[in-house]
Amino acid sequence: GENVEQHPSTLSVQEGDSAVIKCTYSDSASNYFPWYKQELGKRPQLIIDIRSNVGEKKDQRIAVTLNKTAKHFSLHITETQPEDSAVYFCAADMNTGFQKLVFGTGTRLLVSP
Amino acid sequence: NAGVTQTPKFQVLKTGQSMTLQCAQDMNHEYMSWYRQDPGMGLRLIHYSVGAGITDQGEVPNGYNVSRSTTEDFPLRLLSAAPSQTSVYFCASTPSMNTEAFFGQGTRLTVV
Repeated sequence: GENVEQHPSTLSVQEGDSAVIKCTYSDSASNYFPWYKQELGKRPQLIIDIRSNVGEKKDQRIAVTLNKTAKHFSLHITETQPEDSAVYFCAADMNTGFQKLVFGTGTRLLVSP
Repeated sequence: NAGVTQTPKFQVLKTGQSMTLQCAQDMNHEYMSWYRQDPGMGLRLIHYSVGAGITDQGEVPNGYNVSRSTTEDFPLRLLSAAPSQTSVYFCASTPSMNTEAFFGQGTRLTVV
């Protein structure tokens, strides 16, 4: 089955810096890769996603890149702000014909003013 | 739209008790799923459904049952609660493959 590894587990940056979170997956058949943000005590919420026919996707300060050959994808946040502080999860869909997401173990991002 | 609604928000059970976590969505989504979230382990899929009457197991199904009699509701049953089932449980619904999953607010379950 699919396995998703996520690094780092914690990341501390200064406000205005960039943050990068990396994930690798094991199943080459996976074709959908969402990123979720979870604030303390809240539900996970989608911030960006990418499909396997696309190499990069941007949405304002957030971007995701996908390297299918190497089976890894990354989240890039530029000009970080304190409100970006949260836990971020990557995920990969198992491409079984049903929506079955396998999540990474999460990255706790702390943005200091 | 209320989105995905879970009840209760908090629950304490004794070992061996049974209970049902409720999940309802008002977005007419076909796909629904249950995840558990444990510290350092991300979210793990328990059971999922692709429509009324159709359910299947995820990564960690043991000790849990589900049914889907309507599009809107997807309850999760704990048959005989164990301390290892202490976790935060999230229900999610998705309109179709490879699209955003909408999560409920979660149920924090403690089994003593």
